[in-house]
Amino acid sequence: DAGVTQSPTHLIKTRGQQVTLRCSPKSGHDTVSWYQQALGQGPQFIFQYYEEEERQRGNFPDRFSGHQFPNYSSELNVNALLLGDSALYLCASSLALANQETQYFGPGTRLLVL
Amino acid sequence: AQSVAQPEDQVNVAEGNPLTVKCTYSVSGNPYLFWYVQYPNRGLQFLLKYITGDNLVKGSYGFEAEFNKSQTSFHLKKPSALVSDSALYFCAVRAPGRRALTFGSGTRLQVQP
Repeated sequence: DAGVTQSPTHLIKTRGQQVTLRCSPKSGHDTVSWYQQALGQGPQFIFQYYEEEERQRGNFPDRFSGHQFPNYSSELNVNALLLGDSALYLCASSLALANQETQYFGPGTRLLVL
Repeated sequence: AQSVAQPEDQVNVAEGNPLTVKCTYSVSGNPYLFWYVQYPNRGLQFLLKYITGDNLVKGSYGFEAEFNKSQTSFHLKKPSALVSDSALYFCAVRAPGRRALTFGSGTRLQVQP
């Protein structure tokens, strides 16, 4: 049973560049959530995708955008990168029909912005 | 708004002793509560959750948590700590109808041999 996978594992970018992170959900899951975890902090919710639409969004600027594909995989795009965007980006998948759905996390992508 | 507080940055315990990692929450309505563990350079691993029912919830690796509605707490416990339990522990809350998990700042558990 494949768990949540994310790519790449590490990424280095410079300020102003754009980045795309990818996530494949756990087998059987249809919902993907993205979180940002800055060093020494708990994860913060960016947004959630279900049925290829953004279902809820956290307090992040429009520079952060996403997409969900028909196979339920998802991308997180960040434009005009800032130094403060350096963080571990976590993807979590869940099953929408399970009302109290548990979110299962991938290993994350560590982004460093120089 | 929903929030989680983990009042201890670090908890130290000797191997074989019981451990408790504290968590309090604030949410409108009945909360969904979760504990996750994070090992170095890894993602979050689900330990257990409380949705409804018995206040004592049992989870993976011998961990359990007690839901206390009057004290708005959801403390993580284990009767006998192992050195391999040393990691970063996060408490999270989700309000019914909301999609986002709100996490605490984390508690580092150090189990000494």
